[in-house]
Amino acid sequence: AQTVTQSQPEMSVQEAETVTLSCTYDTSENNYYLFWYKQPPSRQMILVIRQEAYKQQNATENRFSVNFQKAAKSFSLKISDSQLGDTAMYFCAFMDGGGADGLTFGKGTHLIIQP
Amino acid sequence: GAVVSQHPSRVICKSGTSVKIECRSLDFQATTMFWYRQFPKQSLMLMATSNEGSKATYEQGVEKDKFLINHASLTLSTLTVTSAHPEDSSFYICSASSPGGFSYEQYFGPGTRLTVT
Repeated sequence: AQTVTQSQPEMSVQEAETVTLSCTYDTSENNYYLFWYKQPPSRQMILVIRQEAYKQQNATENRFSVNFQKAAKSFSLKISDSQLGDTAMYFCAFMDGGGADGLTFGKGTHLIIQP
Repeated sequence: GAVVSQHPSRVICKSGTSVKIECRSLDFQATTMFWYRQFPKQSLMLMATSNEGSKATYEQGVEKDKFLINHASLTLSTLTVTSAHPEDSSFYICSASSPGGFSYEQYFGPGTRLTVT
C-alpha cells in the first residue's frame, strides 16, 4: 500500500514570499501520478499541479512548481509570490498508474499567508 | 473543465434513518467514481471505488452494508448511509474520472456535510 507523508501541519509566510511545502511518499510502483490539491474554507478540492512519474521534468503552473525527486520519493510544492488567496489546506496525493484507483492523500499542510 | 455536482450539500438526519447522497458528472461520462470521507481538520480517506454497472470496491475497514454505493449510469453514483449514527457524521466528497478515455484526472464534487443527531 502507498503512503503519503506531509510533515508540516501548518506554515505561515508573509504575502509575496516564497514557500515550499514538503511531501514524501512510499510505493513499490514505477508508474504513478502525484498531485497537489488545495482545499480552501469552502472545502472544494482544487487541483494545483500534477506530475507524471515517468516525466523527469518538474511540472510548473504559473506561480506553482514542484521539485520531483523520484529516487528519493519526494514531491515538494513551491509557491512563488504568495498571495492572500493561497491561504488554504494543501494536500499531497498519490495515484497508481492505472488511473482506476483512488487517491491516497497526505495529512495536509495548513498554509497561512499573512498580509 | 469537467464539473461534478453533489446533492445535497448539507443534510441533517435522525439516528437510525438512512440518507442518500448523489454525485453527478455534468459534462462528461465518468466510468469510475470515488467516495471519500473527511473528518474535521483531517485528510480525505478513500471509502470506495465504483465503476458503472458493477459492484463497488470498498476499502478495508469500510462497512459495505452501511455505506451502499450504486453507480447506475455513466453520470450518476449514489452513496446511501443506512441506519445512520452520530459517528457517521462527516464530510463526504465524491470524485469522478474516466481513466480509459477523457483523462486519468479525478474531478471533485463540492462535498456533502452529513450531521446525524
